[in-house]
Amino acid sequence: GEDVEQSLFLSVREGDSSVINCTYTDSSSTYLYWYKQEPGAGLQLLTYIFSNMDMKQDQRLTVLLNKKDKHLSLRIADTQTGDSAIYFCAERADSWGKLQFGAGTQVVVTP
Amino acid sequence: AAGVIQSPRHLIKEKRETATLKCYPIPRHDTVYWYQQGPGQDPQFLISFYEKMQSDKGSIPDRFSAQQFSDYHSELNMSSLELGDSALYFCASSSNRLAGETQYFGPGTRLLVL
Repeated sequence: GEDVEQSLFLSVREGDSSVINCTYTDSSSTYLYWYKQEPGAGLQLLTYIFSNMDMKQDQRLTVLLNKKDKHLSLRIADTQTGDSAIYFCAERADSWGKLQFGAGTQVVVTP
Repeated sequence: AAGVIQSPRHLIKEKRETATLKCYPIPRHDTVYWYQQGPGQDPQFLISFYEKMQSDKGSIPDRFSAQQFSDYHSELNMSSLELGDSALYFCASSSNRLAGETQYFGPGTRLLVL
């Protein structure tokens, strides 16, 4: 996804917090999403945030949105080995609804 | 809760053959999206349908076509398959594109072209 950028790799120790960052370019994006993909599996919707929000918390997940800098982050508290996966950030590109994905961040959780 | 169903889950074809992928959206969802994910890549939008009409088109080759039927299921038809078509094909559904309802993805169909 050339319009959505993410760091490619993150290593974190079990029990620590993970922070995955994403930048997007389309200031008109209304919704921003985080999806999780485990090896060989589909895309699991983790959470999303509407563009008029700054923060959204859902159990261990916290999403922060900085519209001025077009920066989105996902914080996973108390990271577990089951959190090892690729995390995609995506923006709703237009009113027709298609999603523009970032390249994905590979998160590896070590014991 | 019911999820998006895709069939088949795996498909092996040879070059120049045709393939048909099917998608059954979540009940009462009226919009279907198709995405293609190549190895190690992010999903790329192909095409979408809202209320059985094509609503948007992305980087879908002319060799591919799709439609949404009266029961809202959708089919992606792929002809003259090429090696580069090997990918994971996702279908996603949502209930109201105008309200920004989130897209829920199916498990994908893994297509291998030999």
